[in-house]
Amino acid sequence: EAGVAQSPRYKIIEKRQSVAFWCNPISGHATLYWYQQILGQGPKLLIQFQNNGVVDDSQLPKDRFSAERLKGVDSTLKIQPAKLEDSAVYLCASSLEYLTDKQFFGPGTRLTVL
Amino acid sequence: AQSVSQHNHHVILSEAASLELGCNYSYGGTVNLFWYVQYPGQHLQLLLKYFSGDPLVKGIKGFEAEFIKSKFSFNLRKPSVQWSDTAEYFCAVALTGGGNKLTFGTGTQLKVEL
Repeated sequence: EAGVAQSPRYKIIEKRQSVAFWCNPISGHATLYWYQQILGQGPKLLIQFQNNGVVDDSQLPKDRFSAERLKGVDSTLKIQPAKLEDSAVYLCASSLEYLTDKQFFGPGTRLTVL
Repeated sequence: AQSVSQHNHHVILSEAASLELGCNYSYGGTVNLFWYVQYPGQHLQLLLKYFSGDPLVKGIKGFEAEFIKSKFSFNLRKPSVQWSDTAEYFCAVALTGGGNKLTFGTGTQLKVEL
């Protein structure tokens, strides 16, 4: 079974630039999550989707971060404009709609903001 | 807000030594508890979970964890570690009925030496 796919794997940008990350969940997984993992910390949930609707975005810095999942399958997370403190690994995870206790994580995108 | 504490940030053990990694959480309600593991170069993956019932939970690769409600703890144990257990271990908590939105601890980096 194919896992959660993410691209790009690495991205280096300068502050105030924009960046976008893409995630394709496991086929059939209705629930999709984006996490931010800053070096030395555990992952922090940014946003959770159920199909194409947002379930929780309480920790998403909405002044600069946005995410969408238009067709209920793949998703894009965008940062505009980026700040130095956005340097982190951005993880995507997915789960079956009624089995959210088992989340499958992707390899992550490592973002460096200079 | 709920939080998760992992007091051991780096642990170095010799093969065959016993392992115990501490995890404490702060939340007075009913929670679901998880341990995730990230092996070098691999994705974050679920090691074990506790929802209810027997407070001693067994996971993959010989790991187990014990939920002690009175101490708000969910410590991870393994009687005899192997070199292949070298990885980063994350404790996570989710509110029961909250769609399993995970709050992660900061992680413990375990190195097992031959």
